[in-house]
Amino acid sequence: DSGVTQTPKHLITATGQRVTLRCSPRSGDLSVYWYQQSLDQGLQFLIQYYNGEERAKGNILERFSAQQFPDLHSELNLSSLELGDSALYFCASSVGAGTTWTNEQFFGPGTRLTVL
Amino acid sequence: GQQVMQIPQYQHVQEGEDFTTYCNSSTTLSNIQWYKQRPGGHPVFLIQLVKSGEVKKQKRLTFQFGEAKKNSSLHITATQTTDVGTYFCAGQGSGTYKYIFGTGTRLKVLA
Repeated sequence: DSGVTQTPKHLITATGQRVTLRCSPRSGDLSVYWYQQSLDQGLQFLIQYYNGEERAKGNILERFSAQQFPDLHSELNLSSLELGDSALYFCASSVGAGTTWTNEQFFGPGTRLTVL
Repeated sequence: GQQVMQIPQYQHVQEGEDFTTYCNSSTTLSNIQWYKQRPGGHPVFLIQLVKSGEVKKQKRLTFQFGEAKKNSSLHITATQTTDVGTYFCAGQGSGTYKYIFGTGTRLKVLA
């Protein structure tokens, strides 16, 4: 158990719908990262927050948005869902975000999203 | 943008054989991390390398960071069935905060 929690574990929805994925980082971690992993694919970096502020952005679609709240939990919102959005979405947390830290990322168990 | 490639994509070895995966970045990295993902699981951090030419060992695993800080390798000596999984490198580009994950190398170990 990494200490990172993600809810829900599974999500099945229809095209065009909107969903929210939730992540609670490890106690004390200030950074939250979101990744998308399609079937048998690598991890695509979506976005990173540090202490409530957006720190880095990857290949995140305009239909997707995220935020980190004052209690440091984070939510990833996916809207106008398409079949191709079906994937495993991982959240990870780390203590820091800069290059002077050992930014060991602790991954949650993931949310498996299926769009029908 | 920054790209990180890994080779090979797949590797099947007999138990007891050695295994190496290579990671190459299109840009200079400030540091590189390695993760292992078991089938059906989530990535688990193995190590972070920061210095040019750095070599670190963890039991049967040896990690290297290239002199130019653009490539890295993971070598496993005498593989065991417990080594099965996908190994990812993740590079943090100089001056950026994000980590770009490599394409991964899926290792299968035949008993």
